[in-house]
Amino acid sequence: GENVEQHPSTLSVQEGDSAVIKCTYSDSASNYFPWYKQELGKGPQLIIDIRSNVGEKKDQRIAVTLNKTAKHFSLHITETQPEDSAVYFCAASNRDDKIIFGKGTRLHILP
Amino acid sequence: DAGVTQSPTHLIKTRGQQVTLRCSPKSGHDTVSWYQQALGQGPQFIFQYYEEEERQRGNFPDRFSGHQFPNYSSELNVNALLLGDSALYLCASSRDGWEQYFGPGTRLTVT
Repeated sequence: GENVEQHPSTLSVQEGDSAVIKCTYSDSASNYFPWYKQELGKGPQLIIDIRSNVGEKKDQRIAVTLNKTAKHFSLHITETQPEDSAVYFCAASNRDDKIIFGKGTRLHILP
Repeated sequence: DAGVTQSPTHLIKTRGQQVTLRCSPKSGHDTVSWYQQALGQGPQFIFQYYEEEERQRGNFPDRFSGHQFPNYSSELNVNALLLGDSALYLCASSRDGWEQYFGPGTRLTVT
């Protein structure tokens, strides 16, 4: 069945450095790829998304890349700050237009 | 502009009981999706409502049912609660089913 794999499950980076989270998906019909940030006690917050007709999208310190051939997409956060510490989820639409989430990456920004 | 709101915040129920959770979508949104998020996992799609009808459904038993009202608000009902139903229940609203905005969730504990 459809699946979204996310790596790593935990990531620690020094403040100011970059963080990269990678995801793969299995459904070739997937065409929408959102990324969410979830802080403790809150619901997921949409931070950026990309559609299959675009290979890369950037919004300030956040960028996403998509490789449809390899079925993988990545989130890049540059110049990380303490407030970037959270759990990040990638997701992908499937052929039934449902959104399937990865298991999440816990990002720790070290002082 | 109010975002997605959910009630109640927390709920404790006993096995076998029934529960109703409520969601008000973001202004301008007409589609509501419900997700179950177990501890340490990504959200899992339960179902989606549009124009007061269930448009899609995930792999959840019939004990999970829902409703959408003319004002686009929605309810999630769970019958015959099991211990395994303990989770954070998230509501997300959107205009087109894609760019989904989540509420803070309802934490359900079944004892």
